[in-house]
Amino acid sequence: KQEVTQIPAALSVPEGENLVLNCSFTDSAIYNLQWFRQDPGKGLTSLLLIQSSQREQTSGRLNASLDKSSGRSTLYIAASQPGDSATYLCAATVGGSQGNLIFGKGTKLSVKP
Amino acid sequence: DTAVSQTPKYLVTQMGNDKSIKCEQNLGHDTMYWYKQDSKKFLKIMFSYNNKELIINETVPNRFSPKSPDKAHLNLHINSLELGDSAVYFCASSQAFGTSISYEQYFGPGTRLTVT
Repeated sequence: KQEVTQIPAALSVPEGENLVLNCSFTDSAIYNLQWFRQDPGKGLTSLLLIQSSQREQTSGRLNASLDKSSGRSTLYIAASQPGDSATYLCAATVGGSQGNLIFGKGTKLSVKP
Repeated sequence: DTAVSQTPKYLVTQMGNDKSIKCEQNLGHDTMYWYKQDSKKFLKIMFSYNNKELIINETVPNRFSPKSPDKAHLNLHINSLELGDSAVYFCASSQAFGTSISYEQYFGPGTRLTVT
């Protein structure tokens, strides 16, 4: 059974700092790994999707990496801003016919001005 | 334009009632999903559905049933509501899930259900 873990559960950094969020999964047989952002009381916004055959994806100040063999993914945020404050969720798409997402419990990020 | 929409945004109801949450996507996607986010903010899959197959998470009570009138809609019906059903319910959609490549899931804004 796939389990996804995110460390740390919460992180507070000063504005401008570069930071890394960690995600680990127990079963390397994933189809992809997706990073989301959730603002309080809001839905999920997809940030990056890494296919199982890829090693990283970049979008603006965000870079996500995937190492299937070690069961790890990281989300790197460069030059953090107060507007980056949110909960970041990683989710692995598991096998089967429909591609269900298995979520971690998230990292709550606070970027202080 | 909203890609995945849900109605209502908030739903407050009493124990024992039957209620529905509607979900619509205008992305032309083939697969739709329902997820539940509990009070500890943990998201879990409830159902996934395309025009060929419904997959139900084994932990979901049979009081919950998805209904799809067409490819763009997947509604969630809940019978005999219980206090423990209080949560935020998210609908999502993606293109058809293939064996060689899989697609992003796009989420709706969520429906906060409170059972009193």
